[in-house]
Amino acid sequence: NAGVMQNPRHLVRRRGQEARLRCSPMKGHSHVYWYRQLPEEGLKFMVYLQKENIIDESGMPKERFSAEFPKEGPSILRIQQVVRGDSAAYFCASSPQQGLEDTEAFFGQGTRLTVV
Amino acid sequence: QQQVKQSPQSLIVQKGGISIINCAYENTAFDYFPWYQQFPGKGPALLIAIRPDVSEKKEGRFTISFNKSAKQFSLHIMDSQPGDSATYFCAASKENYQLIWGAGTKLIIKP
Repeated sequence: NAGVMQNPRHLVRRRGQEARLRCSPMKGHSHVYWYRQLPEEGLKFMVYLQKENIIDESGMPKERFSAEFPKEGPSILRIQQVVRGDSAAYFCASSPQQGLEDTEAFFGQGTRLTVV
Repeated sequence: QQQVKQSPQSLIVQKGGISIINCAYENTAFDYFPWYQQFPGKGPALLIAIRPDVSEKKEGRFTISFNKSAKQFSLHIMDSQPGDSATYFCAASKENYQLIWGAGTKLIIKP
C-alpha cells in the first residue's frame, strides 16, 4: 500500500496564477481531508470530502479556494489567483470511514506551495 | 474557545532523559486528544491519543497524562532517544475529523 500520495511535493507559482494540488488517498479510503500548515504553526482544517461530495468546507476561504474528489482520480485542491499569503504546506489525509480518530487514517507528505 | 495552546515551542533533552510537552484547551466539548509526530519533509503521523474518560494512557515509551478539571494534557517521552527528535503536535476535536492543532514543539534529543 503506497500510502497517501500528494503531488507535487513542491510548487512555485507567481502571484495571480492558479495552483492545483493533488491527493490520492490510500487504497480503500473514500474520505479525504485537507489541512493547511503555515510556518511555525499547527495544521488548520480546510475541507472534508467523500467521493463526489463536499461534506464540510467550513475551513476553506470563501474566495479563490475550491476542492473536489471526483468518482475517478485524485482529490484536487485548487487555489485561483494565488497571493503571497497562500504560501504554506498543504496536507491531505485519508481514512476508510469518517474521522481522523480512525487508526487507519494517514497523512500524506504534503505539498509546499511558494508564491513569488 | 477553539484554541489549543502548546508549550514549550522548542525543547532540548539529553539522551535517556524525559521529554515533557504540555497542552491546554478551553472548549469542554472536545472529546478526543491526539498527539502527532512530524519529521522534516514528512506528514504528521499519529503517535498516541486519549479520550477524557481516562487520566493516563501509555504506549511503550510514550505516555499521555490528561487532567480534565484543569483542561490540560501532556505528552511524556521516557528514555528519550535521538530518533525521537521531531516536531510534536497536540490536537483536540469534537468532530472526529476537524482537529484543532497546537503550534508544535520542536524536540531535539542530544546524544
